[in-house]
Amino acid sequence: QKEVEQDPGPLSVPEGAIVSLNCTYSNSAFQYFMWYRQYSRKGPELLMYTYSSGNKEDGRFTAQVDKSSKYISLFIRDSQPSDSATYLCAMEGWGLTGGGNKLTFGTGTQLKVEL
Amino acid sequence: DTGVSQNPRHKITKRGQNVTFRCDPISEHNRLYWYRQTLGQGPEFLTYFQNEAQLEKSRLLSDRFSAERPKGSFSTLEIQRTEQGDSAMYLCASSAGTGAYEQYFGPGTRLTVT
Repeated sequence: QKEVEQDPGPLSVPEGAIVSLNCTYSNSAFQYFMWYRQYSRKGPELLMYTYSSGNKEDGRFTAQVDKSSKYISLFIRDSQPSDSATYLCAMEGWGLTGGGNKLTFGTGTQLKVEL
Repeated sequence: DTGVSQNPRHKITKRGQNVTFRCDPISEHNRLYWYRQTLGQGPEFLTYFQNEAQLEKSRLLSDRFSAERPKGSFSTLEIQRTEQGDSAMYLCASSAGTGAYEQYFGPGTRLTVT
């Protein structure tokens, strides 16, 4: 079982829709939770990070963390075609191999926002 | 702040050859990370430097891989005797401070081993 599970999609939505992206994880030692956006053949771009449980909002993006359920979400409001990309969740903490200095990523969810 | 840069952006090599990639982190970021990403997967951690010290290496990093960060600035990742399974995107990231949670990635080097 992977430490971080993420539905690979693809997820296709119409422009203006609210998008919900999710990850689950198994390691309770994770403390920081990140969302990255990756366009095809580019490096991941950090969207936002959250510490422990709670919500964080940045423009059209809202991140939620529920540590009790080991479940994190990213919501995108008023989605635009330019939001079409792969969204990766990532977590920091002591992984199965030890070490608190790396990110553990999900596989990414491919999102397409259509006109 | 020009961001993390990586060179080359693409590399095609024949099996058995050695390759070296370079990463220039965001200036004054003391932490530097290497990851590998294959198609349809998230990045996987390879190794991490704090200043010039290599503090952690993944079990994914076989003896054919070596990384350096002389003087705590740019870093190089070398792969010796490349194999077709080494074909992937090699990503470099950097962060400041004491945490790894705010990492900024470069554009990556795409390696194809024929």
